[in-house]
Amino acid sequence: NAGVTQTPKFQVLKTGQSMTLQCAQDMNHNSMYWYRQDPGMGLRLIYYSASEGTTDKGEVPNGYNVSRLNKREFSLRLESAAPSQTSVYFCASSENRGGRTKFFGPGTRLTVL
Amino acid sequence: QQQVKQSPQSLIVQKGGISIINCAYENTAFDYFPWYQQFPGKGPALLIAIRPDVSEKKEGRFTISFNKSAKQFSLHIMDSQPGDSATYFCAAQSGGYQKVTFGTGTKLQVIP
Repeated sequence: NAGVTQTPKFQVLKTGQSMTLQCAQDMNHNSMYWYRQDPGMGLRLIYYSASEGTTDKGEVPNGYNVSRLNKREFSLRLESAAPSQTSVYFCASSENRGGRTKFFGPGTRLTVL
Repeated sequence: QQQVKQSPQSLIVQKGGISIINCAYENTAFDYFPWYQQFPGKGPALLIAIRPDVSEKKEGRFTISFNKSAKQFSLHIMDSQPGDSATYFCAAQSGGYQKVTFGTGTKLQVIP
């Protein structure tokens, strides 16, 4: 099992450009999450999906949109990238609504110039 | 408002020593306290976790001590090894799957 995979690993964008971060899990988990990690800030939840077909805002959703394409895949889109969105983005999954353990992907390092 | 405060920000320990990382929380609704370990270039991975009905949990060289009345919990790494060098995040979770608050992380370096 690959666990949680993310693409791309690195990306550089110019202000105003758009892009989609891809995430897939092969553990048959119901819940999926997008976090961003910034120095001194820990991990902050952007969006989550409790199950296929549902998505909800987390702590820092502004400037982002998500799509739960199917049970395996959960994508994060930046419509108009801003320098404040320079960060490392992690996708995670957990077994179900009460899933305590979150399994994280390797991350995408995004720089917005 | 930061609900989980973690200290220190960085820590250097000699091989064989004890590494101690502390966290304090405010929300008494938290009912699950995991610690995650993150190596450079990798995503965080669950290391050990505790529920508030126990005061201590040990798994190998890793121990969580929990003080419910003080709303504090800590991670102790006994006989620290260079391979333990990583960033450690404490977290606190309540009820729903999305309600996880992470600490700001501690970068541990174990020197030979």
